[in-house]
Amino acid sequence: QSVLTQPPSVSGAPGQRVTISCTGSSSNIGAGYDVHWYQHLPGTAPKLLIYGNTNRPSGVPDRFSGSKSGTSASLAISGLQAEDEADYYCQSFDNSLSGWGVFGGGTKLTVL
Amino acid sequence: QVQLQESGPGLVKPSETLSLTCTVSGGSISIYYWSWIRQSPGKGLEWIGYIYYSGSAKYNPSLKSRGTISVDTSKNQFSLKLSSVTAADTAVYYCAKYSSRNWFDPWGQGTLVTVSS
Repeated sequence: QSVLTQPPSVSGAPGQRVTISCTGSSSNIGAGYDVHWYQHLPGTAPKLLIYGNTNRPSGVPDRFSGSKSGTSASLAISGLQAEDEADYYCQSFDNSLSGWGVFGGGTKLTVL
Repeated sequence: QVQLQESGPGLVKPSETLSLTCTVSGGSISIYYWSWIRQSPGKGLEWIGYIYYSGSAKYNPSLKSRGTISVDTSKNQFSLKLSSVTAADTAVYYCAKYSSRNWFDPWGQGTLVTVSS
């Protein structure tokens, strides 16, 4: 069981907007640690999508946005495209157990 | 543009030591932190550990001291050794550059390691 909780799956039609939640606790997201998001297509290298809660690396379309509030964070994808179908993971830091980086369990996005 | 590529045996016998190498190209390994992450079949991502180019390393406590990460700056490579492996260590192993602000970018493509007799 992952320290950060994500829904196993979400879906949406092309052009729609979907959000993926990432719920943590007072020892990670709630403690003020940044949340980062990755996009992963099976068989390929995971790709950094959002860093520092809201920032997009160069080359990531502005259809992807991140937010954080309290003990949770969210990834929003607007103008859904077929190529967005992938697994999405959130990641943060946890100050329990000697302090360590932790991932969410991943969310499979299906574009209908 | 930094790129990473994992290499090593795809099959390891139970109780033996898993050994993987990550080759860094397009940039020097002698800055930043470097990390290993794995994904077991049907499960999420798990951070194994990281190393600074100077050689100082930190490991996931869940590995119970079985992991060792080392760096070879002359070859622009860093390596992972995981001892006393069991079937639970079967996973796709990724190497990645680790930012001091706690994100991973970029990642290697990953390599599947199966623990089986």
